Amino acid sequence: GQQLNQSPQSMFIQEGEDVSMNCTSSSIFNTWLWYKQDPGEGPVLLIALYKAGELTSNGRLTAQFGITRKDSFLNISASIPSDVGIYFCAGGAQKLVFGQGTRLTINP
Amino acid sequence: GAVVSQHPSRVICKSGTSVKIECRSLDFQATTMFWYRQFPKQSLMLMATSNEGSKATYEQGVEKDKFLINHASLTLSTLTVTSAHPEDSSFYICSANDRGEYEQYFGPGTRLTVT
Repeated sequence: GQQLNQSPQSMFIQEGEDVSMNCTSSSIFNTWLWYKQDPGEGPVLLIALYKAGELTSNGRLTAQFGITRKDSFLNISASIPSDVGIYFCAGGAQKLVFGQGTRLTINP
Repeated sequence: GAVVSQHPSRVICKSGTSVKIECRSLDFQATTMFWYRQFPKQSLMLMATSNEGSKATYEQGVEKDKFLINHASLTLSTLTVTSAHPEDSSFYICSANDRGEYEQYFGPGTRLTVT
């Protein structure tokens, strides 16, 4: 079946630093989505990507849909404490496959 | 927009009993809803896809007789965990997408503890 490899699994950074995480797939996806999940809550959609090569921003977040349609990255610039959480990539179409998540910890 | 609610947020039940979890799309109509299960420090695992007015499609390894799904309207899907056992304790999350869209919007989740 389809699998997503998300890296890194965890990140420990200083407030103000930039963050980069990525996902790769063994299969081609038509859609890449990035979510953030806080403890005990459901994931919140951050960015949706629909076209190969597409680069989309949402405030300090930027995500790209890889040209091969098998990968995507998410960047967070100038991190702040509320960025703490787990970030998931998801690929697919109507049905989504999720990556393992990247746990972001920020030292003030 | 695109708000999904779940009820209850937490439930504790005794082994052998059944528990019903509701998922509602509050400001849009959802032809398709999804049910996920998430164990601690793990990713989301899709359990089933629920289409309004038809039978749910279950993922491999998910028992359809144990996890009953009903999607009676465009704004409500329910998941009933029947004859719950401690190993069913988990975080259950639903999601929904608007007609023709691929973006899934998630509910806040339901923490189920079976004692």
